Amino acid sequence: EAQVTQNPRYLITVTGKKLTVTCSQNMNHEYMSWYRQDPGLGLRQIYYSMNVEVTDKGDVPEGYKVSRKEKRNFPLILESPSPNQTSLYFCASSTRQGADEQYFGPGTRLTVT
Amino acid sequence: KNEVEQSPQNLTAQEGEFITINCSYSVGISALHWLQQHPGGGIVSLFMLSSGKKKHGRLIATINIQEKHSSLHITASHPRDSAVYICAVRPNTGTASKLTFGTGTRLQVTL
Repeated sequence: EAQVTQNPRYLITVTGKKLTVTCSQNMNHEYMSWYRQDPGLGLRQIYYSMNVEVTDKGDVPEGYKVSRKEKRNFPLILESPSPNQTSLYFCASSTRQGADEQYFGPGTRLTVT
Repeated sequence: KNEVEQSPQNLTAQEGEFITINCSYSVGISALHWLQQHPGGGIVSLFMLSSGKKKHGRLIATINIQEKHSSLHITASHPRDSAVYICAVRPNTGTASKLTFGTGTRLQVTL
């Protein structure tokens, strides 16, 4: 089954404790992206990757890091989480950036206290 | 002003009603997406349009590129259609073109 998986689905953590949210897709997609969703603001892009070892900043990259060492995986790293990073996070993939059907992961609800 | 505006923000309908959700955008685009976000949070892609009209079951999406406007129609609405519907566009300018999202239309269909 074609899918994008994210882990963990829910996470409560404390300020400053490094964390990683994993994202993996099984469709051999080149393009992957991370979004955060906040009430009233809609989905905003954090980082995206057009292929292995090719990543770039989206609209709200501050406080986040990503890597793309393998085509299927695109982890999101929060080196020192802060409460303003409390949000719902989605990973997505597609064959081409924005031009093809987007496949979204199930979401990760992160709370930073 | 957001690049993508959706209306209405909230919509309540009775089962069986015909529903229209609108999306207006202010930039030139190469594609427009309609997404559905279920109450549990998951997002699925409904349509991707670059021109004309697409239909899938009871859902119809149209786009008018000249007027920078798209509509999502739901015929014979059902309570299981209750969800947030999100419009997203891919601007055709800049080297880092990416999806820009509207804030969504929350639809509730009652019996």
